Amino acid sequence: AQRVTQPEKLLSVFKGAPVELKCNYSYSGSPELFWYVQYSRQRLQLLLRHISRESIKGFTADLNKGETSFHLKKPFAQEEDSAMYYCALRPGAGNNRKLIWGLGTSLAVNP
Amino acid sequence: DADVTQTPRNRITKTGKRIMLECSQTKGHDRMYWYRQDPGLGLRLIYYSFDVKDINKGEISDGYSVSRQAQAKFSLSLESAIPNQTALYFCATSDRGSYNEQFFGPGTRLTVL
Repeated sequence: AQRVTQPEKLLSVFKGAPVELKCNYSYSGSPELFWYVQYSRQRLQLLLRHISRESIKGFTADLNKGETSFHLKKPFAQEEDSAMYYCALRPGAGNNRKLIWGLGTSLAVNP
Repeated sequence: DADVTQTPRNRITKTGKRIMLECSQTKGHDRMYWYRQDPGLGLRLIYYSFDVKDINKGEISDGYSVSRQAQAKFSLSLESAIPNQTALYFCATSDRGSYNEQFFGPGTRLTVL
């Protein structure tokens, strides 16, 4: 079955500490993977996608097909990073595919 | 500014009432989605539509129905609301093609007493 697992419901770190939000997926083909973020009182929005290989707000995520993971990392967390983070997978080929979402990880960055 | 809007933003209703949540978008996207968000359960897809004539059930469609009135409008109805439908409801849109992001509305907080 196609599945996205975010093992941590809540992650709490101190400002300036490294942070890693874990995402593992279950899918045998070539996945499209995304991280979405929801800041307090704001809309859910795309943070980054694996195809872009970009760094957004200091966050990066590398697709590891061997470990079927797409962990989100930032070397130095900031208080404004506190938010809910969702990992999502779009499986298969073709255009008519919907996202499969993880349950989310709430990140709290403490001063 | 092209956007995704939802009405109402908050609604309190009673068990058994019929409720309609509305979503409009000015992004010109073909695809629209309805999700509900519950603490600890993440986002769950209720219904989705890839164009005006296409409606598909998501993972939790029981107790809900939808209507795609136009490319820009996608409404979610609860025919007879029950307390466990209390949740935050999000509408989202996306364009065709791979790797296209979903754009979310601000959400509707629904409470069923």
